[in-house]
Amino acid sequence: NAGVTQTPKFQVLKTGQSMTLQCAQDMNHNSMYWYRQDPGMGLRLIYYSASEGTTDKGEVPNGYNVSRLNKREFSLRLESAAPSQTSVYFCASSLDASNMGYEQYFGPGTRLTVT
Amino acid sequence: AQSVAQPEDQVNVAEGNPLTVKCTYSVSGNPYLFWYVQYPNRGLQFLLKYITGDNLVKGSYGFEAEFNKSQTSFHLKKPSALVSDSALYFCAVRPGYSSASKIIFGSGTRLSIRP
Repeated sequence: NAGVTQTPKFQVLKTGQSMTLQCAQDMNHNSMYWYRQDPGMGLRLIYYSASEGTTDKGEVPNGYNVSRLNKREFSLRLESAAPSQTSVYFCASSLDASNMGYEQYFGPGTRLTVT
Repeated sequence: AQSVAQPEDQVNVAEGNPLTVKCTYSVSGNPYLFWYVQYPNRGLQFLLKYITGDNLVKGSYGFEAEFNKSQTSFHLKKPSALVSDSALYFCAVRPGYSSASKIIFGSGTRLSIRP
């Protein structure tokens, strides 16, 4: 049981390049999330998927797109990377977003630098 | 505005002493409250949560937290600190009225336990 896995662990991009961050969970969770973590700012929600086939914007969606490929996988795409997107990105999952008492489980993160 | 405050960027405690990491919140409705811990280069790990019921909740690794509705606080505590408790701690809250996706994270408190 690997929990939540993310690839890659590290990535350096030049401004304007694109990339996709991959996330998978093996806990049969319905809901998945993408966050970014910046120093002194906690975690901010980029996009989430309450269930397979649905996605919605979070607090900071500009410059990103997502795909809920199936129940296990939720990817985050940067179409044209900008230095402001330099951050650590975390994927998370929870059993069901409709129950607010469920905690989230986090992946190990992807450290992205855009030069 | 909905918010979570962790007033201390860093807390320093000697091993064996009790520790407290503070969290206050400002949200509408009855909140759902969480504590997470982040070790270096790792994702967040769930520690404990308050949903309803007893104001004192117990969690992983000997941690506990007390919900205080009148003071809108949810401080994390441990009776006897270990060096291995050194990490970054995040308080998080879900406003009771909101969609389940909306969780607000504090900015984090770095806990340092000296031997």
